[in-house]
Amino acid sequence: AQKITQTQPGMFVQEKEAVTLDCTYDTSDPSYGLFWYKQPSSGEMIFLIYQGSYDQQNATEGRYSLNFQKARKSANLVISASQLGDSAMYFCAMREMNSGYSTLTFGKGTMLLVSP
Amino acid sequence: GAVVSQHPSRVICKSGTSVKIECRSLDFQATTMFWYRQFPKQSLMLMATSNEGSKATYEQGVEKDKFLINHASLTLSTLTVTSAHPEDSSFYICSLDREANEKLFFGSGTQLSVL
Repeated sequence: AQKITQTQPGMFVQEKEAVTLDCTYDTSDPSYGLFWYKQPSSGEMIFLIYQGSYDQQNATEGRYSLNFQKARKSANLVISASQLGDSAMYFCAMREMNSGYSTLTFGKGTMLLVSP
Repeated sequence: GAVVSQHPSRVICKSGTSVKIECRSLDFQATTMFWYRQFPKQSLMLMATSNEGSKATYEQGVEKDKFLINHASLTLSTLTVTSAHPEDSSFYICSLDREANEKLFFGSGTQLSVL
């Protein structure tokens, strides 16, 4: 089974509007971290936001917030006031802390296009 | 500033040649580095975990004799694609973490094109 599922291959949003990118995850590890990365066409991976499995509050970083619903195993990224520069590929990822070695498992990604 | 430096950013080579990609940690000692591969319009797939001073751990389906990883120092890991073929054309990106269980820092990636 896939550990990270992103069901939206592509999303369109108009500039200045908010957009939600979906992410669900699957793990039996009680300790894990959820991450969102942005990958523009240049290929670099830009860290956006992090949510720990034991965090009580939803993470926020500027215009980015993470809607963490633990019981539903979802970690949706909300981008408020979209900007043209937000057009990029967005990856949700998970790190299971109790695995033998701890690296990131990525979802398939969502391509976000912001229009003027 | 940048935490990870990866070179080259782009390489084009003939089929059958070998290509070396370097990944450097700029401001801390990294005992573990990760190498990912990304095909066009696909996600990042972990290829191997590079451990300083010991053999790399390869993911299932990744040929260790084809993708040679050397992590001889705490600041440098190299990935060598040996006898490259067109199907090896891909985006290769390294990453490392500064503290356990924190976010990964990524290099800028290497676009390999094998003709």
